[in-house]
Amino acid sequence: GAVVSQHPSRVICKSGTSVKIECRSLDFQATTMFWYRQFPKKSLMLMATSNEGSKATYEQGVEKDKFLINHASLTLSTLTVTSAHPEDSSFYICSARGSASFKETQYFGPGTRLLVL
Amino acid sequence: DAKTTQPPSMDCAEGRAANLPCNHSTISGNEYVYWYRQIHSQGPQYIIHGLKNNETNEMASLIITEDRKSSTLILPHATLRDTAVYYCIVRPATGSARQLTFGSGTQLTVLP
Repeated sequence: GAVVSQHPSRVICKSGTSVKIECRSLDFQATTMFWYRQFPKKSLMLMATSNEGSKATYEQGVEKDKFLINHASLTLSTLTVTSAHPEDSSFYICSARGSASFKETQYFGPGTRLLVL
Repeated sequence: DAKTTQPPSMDCAEGRAANLPCNHSTISGNEYVYWYRQIHSQGPQYIIHGLKNNETNEMASLIITEDRKSSTLILPHATLRDTAVYYCIVRPATGSARQLTFGSGTQLTVLP
């Protein structure tokens, strides 16, 4: 149990375009979802936290107008990178946490590798 | 403001136990110790967590000292597939800071 999926696993796009990444909790309801970013040879950095039906809370230095997060249901959150630029190229990882005691643990998706040309 | 300290790297022979230490001397009474690992180019994988008692599951054992200022993750029979970066994270049980904050972790390399 506790499976989190992400789609797509890899995306290449042109500079200036927008990219949407989906994150789904497959076997539990995720009241809270998180988005992380990881640059090569670095650790994961939290970008934002979202609760179902509420606006996301962004970490300091993360532009909310550039990284749009929607958490419209208990099993789906999306991250849209708007007007992507080469410096946005990174590994984006979502994480989900449920409300039941077992699912209080955060589970992570497999990640999405974004390359902006 | 790292709350945990881990060695940057460790090696372990295949088939032997891997013991990964973590210092969390400023841990609060309501904070859990979580362990995750990240195999190259994948998302982090949950391993185990505990509050003050030792814990064991099918993947590993977690030994927490009585004063809770440090812990050790034990992989009893390491395999090559256990090569990964291992993260030790402390997290409150409740409150707004319940998200996981990752440090640098320990790169464990299991050698044949």
